[in-house]
Amino acid sequence: KQEVTQIPAALSVPEGENLVLNCSFTDSAIYNLQWFRQDPGKGLTSLLLIQSSQREQTSGRLNASLDKSSGRSTLYIAASQPGDSATYLCAVMNRDDKIIFGKGTRLHILP
Amino acid sequence: NAGVTQTPKFQVLKTGQSMTLQCAQDMNHEYMSWYRQDPGMGLRLIHYSVGAGITDQGEVPNGYNVSRSTTEDFPLRLLSAAPSQTSVYFCASREGNTEAFFGQGTRLTVV
Repeated sequence: KQEVTQIPAALSVPEGENLVLNCSFTDSAIYNLQWFRQDPGKGLTSLLLIQSSQREQTSGRLNASLDKSSGRSTLYIAASQPGDSATYLCAVMNRDDKIIFGKGTRLHILP
Repeated sequence: NAGVTQTPKFQVLKTGQSMTLQCAQDMNHEYMSWYRQDPGMGLRLIHYSVGAGITDQGEVPNGYNVSRSTTEDFPLRLLSAAPSQTSVYFCASREGNTEAFFGQGTRLTVV
């Protein structure tokens, strides 16, 4: 059974710092991995999708990497801003078509 | 471009009542799914569908029914609501192994 773990569960950093969020998964037979952002009381916004054949994807200040063999992904946020405060969710798409989520990292950027 | 639309946004039910949570997508996606999100538990898959006429169970299907008569719609039915079904429900859709899109959620309280 696929299990997705996100560490840390919560993180507070001063504005302007670069930071890394971690995601690990137990079954490497995945189609892809997707990072989402969720603001309080809101839905999920897709940030980056990495297919299993890819190593990384970039969008603006965000960079996500994937090491499928070791079951790990990282989300790097450069020059953090207070508007980046949110919960970040990692999700893997299994070969059985199911998307399994981690419990998220709650990020707080201190002004 | 509406994407994934969920109705209602909020609902309060009494124990034993029934209701249907609606989900519609306008992207002609084959794959649709329902999740519930609870504090400390993350998002858990309830039911999913890989196309019209095809549905399957996810991680927490008990107490919920689904059907998929059209590509666009994937309603979730609670036949006899229980307090344990108090949660935020999210519907998602995608095409193949591509990016998943989520609705804004339905916040359900069962008293």
